[in-house]
Amino acid sequence: KNEVEQSPQNLTAQEGEFITINCSYSVGISALHWLQQHPGGGIVSLFMLSSGKKKHGRLIATINIQEKHSSLHITASHPRDSAVYICAVPTYLISNFGNEKLTFGTGTRLTIIP
Amino acid sequence: NAGVTQTPKFRVLKTGQSMTLLCAQDMNHEYMYWYRQDPGMGLRLIHYSVGEGTTAKGEVPDGYNVSRLKKQNFLLGLESAAPSQTSVYFCASRYNTGGNTGELFFGEGSRLTVL
Repeated sequence: KNEVEQSPQNLTAQEGEFITINCSYSVGISALHWLQQHPGGGIVSLFMLSSGKKKHGRLIATINIQEKHSSLHITASHPRDSAVYICAVPTYLISNFGNEKLTFGTGTRLTIIP
Repeated sequence: NAGVTQTPKFRVLKTGQSMTLLCAQDMNHEYMYWYRQDPGMGLRLIHYSVGEGTTAKGEVPDGYNVSRLKKQNFLLGLESAAPSQTSVYFCASRYNTGGNTGELFFGEGSRLTVL
């Protein structure tokens, strides 16, 4: 099973600060997912990346496959970025379908103070 | 498009009662999943389906049953609810990308309390 560790568990920052959230995993993967869970509970997919870097607005995700590590950065943070950020990696299920599933980290709770 | 819709959003049950959670998606996705989310733990896979008429067990299947009679719907059943099944349940779906796990689309979650 692929173990996933996120750090920090909780992060509070002032509006405008540069934010970094880290994710480490134990088994080599094909792609890593970053998800955002809003305070209301809904979960949305932010990124899926297998190498290098991806950028969407103020969010940047990077991955180092050799070191089994990914980071999610938020530039010019804003209170609306307050959410739980979850990293997920594939793990193969032993089933009739030989399908892979995602193993999820426990999340990083980010709070941005105005 | 509504995306992924879960019903009900909230439910309180007594121990031993039964209920069904419905997940509906309008994106023609082949794969559908049911997860549970508990405090301090990552999302855990209960059951999943790779297409109409198929289901398979995930990490924590005990106490749950599922059915996928139609491609757009994935039902999660609790035959005899237990307090340990108090949780927030999420349904998700994705396309069959033929290899890597593709982008997942989640429902809004269903909060279930078993007294």
